Amino acid sequence: EAAVTQSPRSKVAVTGGKVTLSCHQTNNHDYMYWYRQDTGHGLRLIHYSYVADSTEKGDIPDGYKASRPSQENFSLILELASLSQTAVYFCASRDDYEQYFGPGTRLTVL
Amino acid sequence: GDSVTQTEGPVTLSEGTSLTVNCSYETKQYPTLFWYVQYPGEGPQLLFKVPKANEKGSNRGFEATYNKEATSFHLQKASVQESDSAVYYCALSLTNAYKVIFGKGTHLHVLP
Repeated sequence: EAAVTQSPRSKVAVTGGKVTLSCHQTNNHDYMYWYRQDTGHGLRLIHYSYVADSTEKGDIPDGYKASRPSQENFSLILELASLSQTAVYFCASRDDYEQYFGPGTRLTVL
Repeated sequence: GDSVTQTEGPVTLSEGTSLTVNCSYETKQYPTLFWYVQYPGEGPQLLFKVPKANEKGSNRGFEATYNKEATSFHLQKASVQESDSAVYYCALSLTNAYKVIFGKGTHLHVLP
């Protein structure tokens, strides 16, 4: 069974609207991450968390917020979606070294 | 700072030919090195990792040697298959660090 799941798998949003992407893990890992993937940029880290109720900024946090209400759940929030946030978003959890990725959410902002 | 640089793609090969994807890294610490693979429509998944210098990792016919002197970790396969078409990421992690540092990925197309 998939240990990291994401919802929705795809979403179309309007510019200026609010978008919430959800991630759930059953790995019992402390660390969770949100990445965005764009052609030519690979995987870029947006936010991460190492404990419930705490989140940290990654390399490209502007325009994004994150929420970790429990060890299992980690959300990415776009308060005012913009065209430039069209991308594929991946959630991951991590043990000592290896990251385990979800299947991704394709977000299109129109 | 810490970084990973890998072959820019796309790389297009015919079935049965050999593959090398170059990866070099920079860090002042002692990293664990990884190759991840991402198949179409999926998230990246670990291909293999090598925590120790001068050791080799391998999986599914792919292999790479952690060369500490050359700070390299090149991915190789002797004979690629169409099913190997995917994006390959070189990555490193550091002890007690939150972050895994990924290269930009190399898109491999294997023609039948």
